[in-house]
Amino acid sequence: AQSVAQPEDQVNVAEGNPLTVKCTYSVSGNPYLFWYVQYPNRGLQFLLKYITGDNLVKGSYGFEAEFNKSQTSFHLKKPSALVSDSALYFCAVRVFTGTASKLTFGTGTRLQVTL
Amino acid sequence: GAVVSQHPSRVICKSGTSVKIECRSLDFQATTMFWYRQFPKQSLMLMATSNEGSKATYEQGVEKDKFLINHASLTLSTLTVTSAHPEDSSFYICSARDSVGTRPHEQYFGPGTRLTVT
Repeated sequence: AQSVAQPEDQVNVAEGNPLTVKCTYSVSGNPYLFWYVQYPNRGLQFLLKYITGDNLVKGSYGFEAEFNKSQTSFHLKKPSALVSDSALYFCAVRVFTGTASKLTFGTGTRLQVTL
Repeated sequence: GAVVSQHPSRVICKSGTSVKIECRSLDFQATTMFWYRQFPKQSLMLMATSNEGSKATYEQGVEKDKFLINHASLTLSTLTVTSAHPEDSSFYICSARDSVGTRPHEQYFGPGTRLTVT
């Protein structure tokens, strides 16, 4: 089955420090990978995606992610965390079935940034 | 960026009644819309996919007669929870994709609807 895994339920980091939120994928063929962020009682906001091209993808709010084919990973990173980055982060992969496709989400990682 | 709205944002209803949730794409034509359900502290579970003008495709285990989906126009999809029960209480999120536009791989999410069935 095609899926993504987020091994960490929660990541804690101090403001100003770099952060990494991990994601690994399992797909057949070329993966279409996404990161979304969710604030409390809100829908998901798109951060970035990897379809093809450069392995380092830059997205919204200073976030970036690195596609690593050999390690089947797509970790989300930010050089300097902010308290306002505290939220729930979801990694997702687009799964294709025939002519249709749908996003399959990981279980989410809660990022807590403290002063 | 593209905007997707949902209405209502929060609804409380009595057991046995039906509730309709609207999802609108405000600045693009949503050829495909998705309905998700999210339980507390859990990931999003896809309930169904709908393409404008055709019947929705439901995921395994989702009752199509209980969760009625209508996608009658390119900017509006509705989810009706029929004969709601307390176990239907959840956060429902819609999402839309412009499959023929300039960003066919991006999916835009609504702010969600918190349904509480008493």
